Amino acid sequence: KNQVEQSPQSLIILEGKNCTLQCNYTVSPFSNLRWYKQDTGRGPVSLTIMTFSENTKSNGRYTATLDADTKQSSLHITASQLSDSASYICVVSEKTSYDKVIFGPGTSLSVIP
Amino acid sequence: DAGITQSPRHKVTETGTPVTLRCHQTENHRYMYWYRQDPGHGLRLIHYSYGVKDTDKGEVSDGYSVSRSKTEDFLLTLESATSSQTSVYFCAISESGQGASEQFFGPGTRLTVL
Repeated sequence: KNQVEQSPQSLIILEGKNCTLQCNYTVSPFSNLRWYKQDTGRGPVSLTIMTFSENTKSNGRYTATLDADTKQSSLHITASQLSDSASYICVVSEKTSYDKVIFGPGTSLSVIP
Repeated sequence: DAGITQSPRHKVTETGTPVTLRCHQTENHRYMYWYRQDPGHGLRLIHYSYGVKDTDKGEVSDGYSVSRSKTEDFLLTLESATSSQTSVYFCAISESGQGASEQFFGPGTRLTVL
């Protein structure tokens, strides 16, 4: 069964610190992987997308990595800000006729002053 | 939220009553989706549409129906609401299929079934 797992489930860090969120998946055949940020009370917003051939993608202070061999991805946040407090969702697409997506359960990040 | 609105934003209803949620887009995207989000679960697809009057079931479609009579509107109906349908519902849109292009999400509708 195709699955997406994320760790940790929740994380608290001090403002200004770095952190790394993990995503492991068993989706096959693989199409692409996206990281979304979801602020409380709002819909998810895309941060990055990576295909099989890409192993790093940056978006400002967010850097995503992908190891397609081990089926792992990480999202690294540099110099965290209070506005980074949100849920981060890993989404993996299965290469089918309509590219089905599987959502991870998310990691809840709290950045405190 | 990328030209996507959902109505209502909050609703409280009683078990057994019908409920209709509306998603409206101004982006002219072909694909529209309804998801539900529950604690401990990832977003789960209820139904999706790939064109006017073209819809298909997702992984958790039991108890839900949808309709799309215009490109811009996608309706989700709970024929007889149950407490297990208490959830936050998100509408999403995309230009191409679910994984082929970025999905843009609406602000969500919080539904409580008593």
